[in-house]
Amino acid sequence: DIQMTQSPSSLSASVGDRVTITCQASQDISSYLNWYQQKPGKAPKILIYDASNLETGVPSRFSGSGSGTSFTFTISSLQPEDIATYYCQQYDNFGQGTKLEIK
Amino acid sequence: EVQLVESGGGLAQPGGSLRLSCAASGFTFSSYWMHWVRQAPGKGLVWVSRINSDGTSTSYADSVKGRLTISRDNAKNTLYLQMNSLRAEDTAVYYCARELPRYYYVMDVWGQGTTVTVSS
Repeated sequence: DIQMTQSPSSLSASVGDRVTITCQASQDISSYLNWYQQKPGKAPKILIYDASNLETGVPSRFSGSGSGTSFTFTISSLQPEDIATYYCQQYDNFGQGTKLEIK
Repeated sequence: EVQLVESGGGLAQPGGSLRLSCAASGFTFSSYWMHWVRQAPGKGLVWVSRINSDGTSTSYADSVKGRLTISRDNAKNTLYLQMNSLRAEDTAVYYCARELPRYYYVMDVWGQGTTVTVSS
């Protein structure tokens, strides 16, 4: 089974900061890596699919990159509404999540 | 408006059963593969099950295989999850989700979730 390891598990940043979350796969998954945002008490929302494709309607400050085993999710300028937990996903495997808070 | 609405959650005893439903609207339900994903209290997302567009192919997480059964009724635009032999560790919010066509396991529309609690 493929394991997805996200880091960090939590992160505190200031409004306007550049925020980066990484996801490591235990074996080569090509570009089959997705990123979701989940706000407290809400359902997850797809942001990025196939490593770097921005879902329609998602702000351009969100981006993704990587291939193989190493992937990065970036918020170029953190906004207050970005407070959420972010998950990477490869097929039936989710990462453990990164809780993002405002400093 | 594209929408998924889950129902059927509640309190069940260990060893008991529940059937979750997910009503779809605003899109051609019969054209989409569908998923169930769950989230235990304070924990992360866990994929549970997947079904193809006509209901002839299903897959399950090992932790639920043989106890949970996914199905669909395309005439009623509804996805189901039959939950038998429930365990305390099945306690979670259960989400149904739609798969983006041609993108394996990319879930582009989610319901609001329904809560299942397994306790005596």
